[in-house]
Amino acid sequence: SAVISQKPSRDICQRGTSLTIQCQVDSQVTMMFWYRQQPGQSLTLIATANQGSEATYESGFVIDKFPISRPNLTFSTLTVSNMSPEDSSIYLCSVTRGTGHNEQFFGPGTRLTVL
Amino acid sequence: DQQVKQNSPSLSVQEGRISILNCDYTNSMFDYFLWYKKYPAEGPTFLISISSIKDKNEDGRFTVFLNKSAKHLSLHIVPSQPGDSAVYFCAASPSSGTYKYIFGTGTRLKVLA
Repeated sequence: SAVISQKPSRDICQRGTSLTIQCQVDSQVTMMFWYRQQPGQSLTLIATANQGSEATYESGFVIDKFPISRPNLTFSTLTVSNMSPEDSSIYLCSVTRGTGHNEQFFGPGTRLTVL
Repeated sequence: DQQVKQNSPSLSVQEGRISILNCDYTNSMFDYFLWYKKYPAEGPTFLISISSIKDKNEDGRFTVFLNKSAKHLSLHIVPSQPGDSAVYFCAASPSSGTYKYIFGTGTRLKVLA
């Protein structure tokens, strides 16, 4: 497994502002991902954070709204830009050590409320 | 369009009895399936997985069954314990060698002491 921490654990933000969420892993991992879980919904993959290159975004998610950094193999950030109340969600990072079919390990999540 | 469905949002079971959580999928290209457990204020924790070449995988009290013809999988917990009370998500992967998992909406299990 992997020990994953996220900061902040929760935040309440005003609309129009931006929040950067950090994800730190205790060891080097192959792949890092960012998910969103809106109230009552399933986990939805936002993007894959690629080390040293631009993130790969899923359909419906764009870099301008969710810029992602991954400067090394243990750390990544997700920014939620120009927030609106619809962005209120739990944001989770996850990692996997291998490629192909491997279980993903999740961080504790960041609960974001946008007023 | 929800490709992975968990039609029961909640389930209550008496301690010591069997808990059965169900999951249906629509995409016949899915060939790898996982179950995760999530406690409040924590991230999902991996429980058990199954490849489409199998119809059953067992790990301690947890067994996952896969019925490919029905596009249905289920998680059995025997015996159920109060500590099993959590939200359970099933997830499916479209094809071999990919990391992309599609998650269901979850079933909240409550095990009554």
